[in-house]
Amino acid sequence: GAVVSQHPSRVICKSGTSVKIECRSLDFQATTMFWYRQFPKKSLMLMATSNEGSKATYEQGVEKDKFLINHASLTLSTLTVTSAHPEDSSFYICSAAHPGPSQPQHFGDGTRLSIL
Amino acid sequence: SQKIEQNSEALNIQEGKTATLTCNYTNYSPAYLQWYRQDPGRGPVFLLLIRENEKEKRKERLKVTFDTTLKQSLFHITASQPADSATYLCALDPLSGGYQKVTFGIGTKLQVIP
Repeated sequence: GAVVSQHPSRVICKSGTSVKIECRSLDFQATTMFWYRQFPKKSLMLMATSNEGSKATYEQGVEKDKFLINHASLTLSTLTVTSAHPEDSSFYICSAAHPGPSQPQHFGDGTRLSIL
Repeated sequence: SQKIEQNSEALNIQEGKTATLTCNYTNYSPAYLQWYRQDPGRGPVFLLLIRENEKEKRKERLKVTFDTTLKQSLFHITASQPADSATYLCALDPLSGGYQKVTFGIGTKLQVIP
């Protein structure tokens, strides 16, 4: 069964709207979760690392005020795309991994965000 | 700069044959390498992990090799089936400072023809 649940799977909304995406770790407590963005025929691009109980670590070039990440519990991380614009349209995917090196990542099924 | 190269062109093979996918990297010293499968519109699914001190890893019809001298990993699917059709991603983690930060290749799309 699914280890990581991501919701919603698809969002279509108007420009200027803020959109929240949820990522839940179902089988284990994830102190660290990851948020990726994927463009068509491009590799997964790590946006930020979400740490339970502390601030997220953002990758270079990712606006933290634009992409708000909250990891309030060991099983839930949320990504909020604030004041979304058409260029924010993309496929967003979260993942969770057990603590420690060399642990594989368990991915959600992604959220297709379309901003009109 | 660090680079991961996977053949972004689709690989078409006949059902029953062995599919071989390549992952090359430069300016990396990965502690381990992972392979994932991604279906259209879905998140990646973990398949296999191989460490830098391992030459080969197997799981059912899957086999991964890791050559740190050539800076290359090969991913094999034996007795391929149409259900194996998907995009396969390799991912590297250098374990820099103990902070897990996996970088993914662009993936190779495999099409198994019945």
